[in-house]
Amino acid sequence: KAGVTQTPRYLIKTRGQQVTLSCSPISGHRSVSWYQQTPGQGLQFLFEYFSETQRNKGNFPGRFSGRQFSNSRSEMNVSTLELGDSALYLCASKAKPGAAAIANTGELFFGEGSRLTVL
Amino acid sequence: AQKVTQAQTEISVVEKEDVTLDCVYETRDTTYYLFWYKQPPSGELVFLIRRNSFDEQNEISGRYSWNFQKSTSSFNFTITASQVVDSAVYFCALRTGSNYQLIWGAGTKLIIKP
Repeated sequence: KAGVTQTPRYLIKTRGQQVTLSCSPISGHRSVSWYQQTPGQGLQFLFEYFSETQRNKGNFPGRFSGRQFSNSRSEMNVSTLELGDSALYLCASKAKPGAAAIANTGELFFGEGSRLTVL
Repeated sequence: AQKVTQAQTEISVVEKEDVTLDCVYETRDTTYYLFWYKQPPSGELVFLIRRNSFDEQNEISGRYSWNFQKSTSSFNFTITASQVVDSAVYFCALRTGSNYQLIWGAGTKLIIKP
């Protein structure tokens, strides 16, 4: 089955602009989480959505927001971009907790990420 | 506090050598899960293994093996007879309780030279 799809793969923005990133989870997966990866801070959890509701949120400012649609696709938005927002943004999907062992063994299935450069 | 430490920033070996990637974790929870993920240049994180805190059995999967030792809070990963395709960044991660948020190590960049 198709993996996690993230769009766009690469984008360049300038300070002050906003950006929206999209993530389509594996078919049947209802949980989507977002991570930011930078050389300095490593991988950091942004937020997780399940059935259109935010379940968990990491320690990021309010400029970072997200949402999930009824088809489980998710978007994250970063407003008023700063240079430090340049990063690889990774989306991961997960089967519903309690799903079959095989589906749940892998825990998180990641997309290839959206690489954001802020100039 | 919960923390994952991967002290090795970068390791470079020649193909066919064995290599061990270290992972040390900190948590006060008695129930937790440890993971290893591989990140090739394409960027996608690939799940390798999950271990729960109640299962200290070592695991072997082909050329990969994992040594989980609660006494030293370590979950080390060994690749035997390394291959160029093993070149990637490897991450160790920790999850505790019912929160699915993962706590990640800084990663170890593994370079396998032909």
